[in-house]
Amino acid sequence: EVQLVESGGGLIQPGGSLRLSCAASGFTVSSNYMSWVRQAPGKGLEWVSVIYSGGSTYYADSVKGRFTISRDNSKNTLYLQMNSLRAEDTAVYYCARGYSSGGRGQYYFDYWGQGTLVTVSS
Amino acid sequence: SYELTQPPSVSVSPGQTARITCSGDALPKKYAYWYQQKSGQAPVLVIYEDSKRPSGIPERFSGSSSGTMATLTISGAQVEDEADYYCYSTDSSGVFGGGTKLTVL
Repeated sequence: EVQLVESGGGLIQPGGSLRLSCAASGFTVSSNYMSWVRQAPGKGLEWVSVIYSGGSTYYADSVKGRFTISRDNSKNTLYLQMNSLRAEDTAVYYCARGYSSGGRGQYYFDYWGQGTLVTVSS
Repeated sequence: SYELTQPPSVSVSPGQTARITCSGDALPKKYAYWYQQKSGQAPVLVIYEDSKRPSGIPERFSGSSSGTMATLTISGAQVEDEADYYCYSTDSSGVFGGGTKLTVL
């Protein structure tokens, strides 16, 4: 059974750093697209970042230069290192598995974690 | 990066057909995907590659795409379909539409 379990969220002051983890089971993280998607309170979904099976990484403009996505193959775990946090980064952060789709270089999310809340506030 | 635009809300009576649109300049070349999100829950895929329905999704959910617009259609909407719906697409980066709140009452 595929499972994704996020951890590491919490209350952090503006300018601070936080690392989110997503422990995967039932599949191999390094063989899949893996993403972070966030949702601010009362707002819509926002794609944050992806790491491809080959190791390429991409980021939303809103987090580029501040966030880093990575994985630990030995722990089958995905990470999101978040630096220089801002109030607008406050959100539930979901880890999601990407599934290659349609032959147009696209992927969609077939499994999601339950999310972890990050609150950036003084 | 590019954008996907959805109407903020759609309202129908039970049994009516609900249509939710998603517009974006990349959609002629890229597939659209649709997610349903109910309050406090993770999103669930209801349509992939413009018009394909995952197993377990009711037949009343269908999708289409023409030019720069993709459409999610719920034929005979039910009260339990009340949720937020998001279109999604990708090239190397991903993008979600702003979401549409579907009210069925």
